[in-house]
Amino acid sequence: QVQLQESGPGLVKSSETLSLTCTVSGGSISNYYWSWIRQPAGKGLEWIGRMYTSGSTNYNPSLKSRVTMSVDTSKNQFSLKLSSVTAADTAVYYCARDIRAGTSDYWGQGTLVTVSS
Amino acid sequence: DIQMTQSPSSLSASVGDRVTITCQASQDISNYLNWYQQKPGKAPNLLIYDASNLETGVPSRFSGSGSGTDFTFTISSLQPEDIATYYCQQYDNLPLTFGGGTKVEIK
Repeated sequence: QVQLQESGPGLVKSSETLSLTCTVSGGSISNYYWSWIRQPAGKGLEWIGRMYTSGSTNYNPSLKSRVTMSVDTSKNQFSLKLSSVTAADTAVYYCARDIRAGTSDYWGQGTLVTVSS
Repeated sequence: DIQMTQSPSSLSASVGDRVTITCQASQDISNYLNWYQQKPGKAPNLLIYDASNLETGVPSRFSGSGSGTDFTFTISSLQPEDIATYYCQQYDNLPLTFGGGTKVEIK
């Protein structure tokens, strides 16, 4: 059974960089798209972007200038960096595996990241 | 970006009722639509892909239909464990976009 687990600081200061890692267990990270999605408290889902294990990426244009995704296949991990954060970036961040492009079948439990001033 | 409009935003129904949620895309997305269920404090769970295909292990009381711009999600007989928020999501164009969600409660 594939499992995903997000990790990283739960509190980030405004203007700094949010960094999260997703560790994949129970299966290989290779040959899939891996996505990041976020959800502010009480609100809907926002797609941040995705990365294929070859290294190709697609980012949401609304965040593109601040987002960087990377993958470490040797550790079965992929990562998200979001720079220059503000309070608007406070959300639960999910990592997910795309069974096919655009369709996420396995999700992490989510991690709350709060941006403080 | 493709806008996904879900309705209603919330509904209350009795156990055993048929529940229907609609999702409208701002442009033709063919059948590139997923439906997810999200229970409080949990990650979303894929129920329906390609507008009408039931994900493995998902109860058959859930179904989806539609193509183009108009889509429907149905729970044929609402069960207590179906209390959740349901989201449609298009994957025809990037960025992937979600509907605003429909919160389903028991009357």
